[in-house]
Amino acid sequence: DAGVIQSPRHEVTEMGQEVTLRCKPISGHNSLFWYRQTMMRGLELLIYFNNNVPIDDSGMPEDRFSAKMPNASFSTLKIQPSEPRDSAVYFCASSSRGDSPLHFGNGTRLTVT
Amino acid sequence: AQTVTQSQPEMSVQEAETVTLSCTYDTSENNYYLFWYKQPPSRQMILVIRQEAYKQQNATENRFSVNFQKAAKSFSLKISDSQLGDTAMYFCAYSGAGSYQLTFGKGTKLSVIP
Repeated sequence: DAGVIQSPRHEVTEMGQEVTLRCKPISGHNSLFWYRQTMMRGLELLIYFNNNVPIDDSGMPEDRFSAKMPNASFSTLKIQPSEPRDSAVYFCASSSRGDSPLHFGNGTRLTVT
Repeated sequence: AQTVTQSQPEMSVQEAETVTLSCTYDTSENNYYLFWYKQPPSRQMILVIRQEAYKQQNATENRFSVNFQKAAKSFSLKISDSQLGDTAMYFCAYSGAGSYQLTFGKGTKLSVIP
């Protein structure tokens, strides 16, 4: 079991640029989550998918944020255009069913200058 | 909406001693799950322990145990024989039964002092 795999581990970009974060969930897990962690707001759920379908995206802060899950083994979180206030650690997590704990990736630290 | 409150932003403990981290939550549901996650400086989120609300017995995982008080909506984590590797941020989290969503507290930064 390779765990949840996120890439890149670090991303530094300039304001206005497009950023794409990637996630590969654990094989067999049918739910995938994107979280954002900041000092001020802690861990916030941005969006989650069940069987590749977005279920709740109410946590997505703005239209600049979008997420896709084209298949069971891959998801992306895109920010276009990026802004300095988007700087945070973005976590992807997966789960096999509603009562099982989330398995987190190692996160992507995004810095927008 | 469910909320999770961790009232201790930072704590410290001497190596080999015992420390208790507090967590309270608010919910109108009767069945749910509670978790403690550990986030060391490496940034990885690691599940420490899990409690099912319908189970009265407190969960235990080696040196980690919880004190689950359902009526008081309290879910504290006790770490016995603290080790340097326990230094980390600890997050309490809530999930409704059948729900995939976790609501996290703000975290407690624990430092284990040699």
